[in-house]
Amino acid sequence: QSALTQPASVSGSPGQSITISCTGTSSDVGSYNLVSWYQQHPGKAPKLMIYEVSKRPSGVSNRFSGSKSGNTASLTISGLQAEDEADYYCCSYAGSSSVVFGGGTKLTVL
Amino acid sequence: EVQLVETGGGLIQPGGSLRLSCAASGFTVSSNYMSWVRQAPGKGLEWVSVIYSGGSTYYADSVKGRFTISRDNSKNTLYLQMNSLRAEDTAVYYCARILGYCSGGSCYRGVLDAFDIWGQGTMVTVSS
Repeated sequence: QSALTQPASVSGSPGQSITISCTGTSSDVGSYNLVSWYQQHPGKAPKLMIYEVSKRPSGVSNRFSGSKSGNTASLTISGLQAEDEADYYCCSYAGSSSVVFGGGTKLTVL
Repeated sequence: EVQLVETGGGLIQPGGSLRLSCAASGFTVSSNYMSWVRQAPGKGLEWVSVIYSGGSTYYADSVKGRFTISRDNSKNTLYLQMNSLRAEDTAVYYCARILGYCSGGSCYRGVLDAFDIWGQGTMVTVSS
């Protein structure tokens, strides 16, 4: 199972919006609405930000939103804040009791 | 408080064995799907294994036949037994609860949704 494809890095200024893409195949992202996104600050454990493509867990800011089209999922962060600077990972159910992660995207807030 | 605490990491020689533990509090391990995820230094996340509430287990191809996931219900603890360790197994190992997919009042056994609770991780270094 190959990793999902994410851009290595994205950047934006405070207040702006950014979008991180996550491209898979018809065997994972394209087949299931089971894409999740995780935020990871340096030296910390990942934190669930989005599940089932576009749902937000309780306590996650509504500045974070998710969507999917075909084999590509996307995470959008609006109103960028300094605290959003972190690594972001997508993840998809891949069938046969397995999941696959993306390679990760480093978000820099300029 | 809902919490996962991993222990058992360390430095081990290639070919050696190590058992990681993950103690849960605030919820019951045996009633949930539980998983191990690892992260090599400076790299991304990699799913390793899952154990279902019913006891079925599944593994990534990279560890199949070498790693075994299990749990002790009396201790509310998850384990990862790692044998025949290789340099490429060097990573921080996280245990995590993974939600099963449910919709419209029905839950679909074996369909994995999202990792909602994570431990702090334990470092495993395989080196001579």
